[in-house]
Amino acid sequence: EAQVTQNPRYLITVTGKKLTVTCSQNMNHEYMSWYRQDPGLGLRQIYYSMNVEVTDKGDVPEGYKVSRKEKRNFPLILESPSPNQTSLYFCASSLTGGYTEAFFGQGTRLTVV
Amino acid sequence: SQQGEEDPQALSIQEGENATMNCSYKTSINNLQWYRQNSGRGLVHLILIRSNEREKHSGRLRVTLDTSKKSSSLLITASRAADTASYFCATDLEGNDMRFGAGTRLTVKP
Repeated sequence: EAQVTQNPRYLITVTGKKLTVTCSQNMNHEYMSWYRQDPGLGLRQIYYSMNVEVTDKGDVPEGYKVSRKEKRNFPLILESPSPNQTSLYFCASSLTGGYTEAFFGQGTRLTVV
Repeated sequence: SQQGEEDPQALSIQEGENATMNCSYKTSINNLQWYRQNSGRGLVHLILIRSNEREKHSGRLRVTLDTSKKSSSLLITASRAADTASYFCATDLEGNDMRFGAGTRLTVKP
């Protein structure tokens, strides 16, 4: 089954404790992207990747890191989480970015206290 | 910054009525897509319309695209309670990236 898998689904952490949210897709997609969703603000892009070893900043990259060492995986790293990073996070992938349908993970609800 | 802006932000209708949502965008595009999100869940792709297309249908969905006005509309006919969700438009950007709007929250009352 074609899918994008995010883990964990829910996470509560403390300020400053490094964390990683994993994202994996099994469709051999070139494009992967991370979004955060906050009430009234829609989906804001954090980082995206056009292919292995190619990543670029989205609209709200501050406080986040990503890597794309393999085509299927695109982890999101918060080196020192802060309460303003409390949000609902989504990973997405598509064959060729905006030209084709994107598939979304189920989301990770992160709370930083 | 967000490329697309949906209008209205929220829409409430009765079951059986039609629902129309609009999306405006800022720069030239190759494609525009519409997605649906049930509360707190991942987005699901509904339909993609290319810049050289003016209208596209999929079941009860009808999408139009007016590139001269940089706008698109999504029409859901004969709405059902199960259509209650948020609807987002997404456009491609230079370099093959993709951006979403803030969404329209649709409530269909039984």
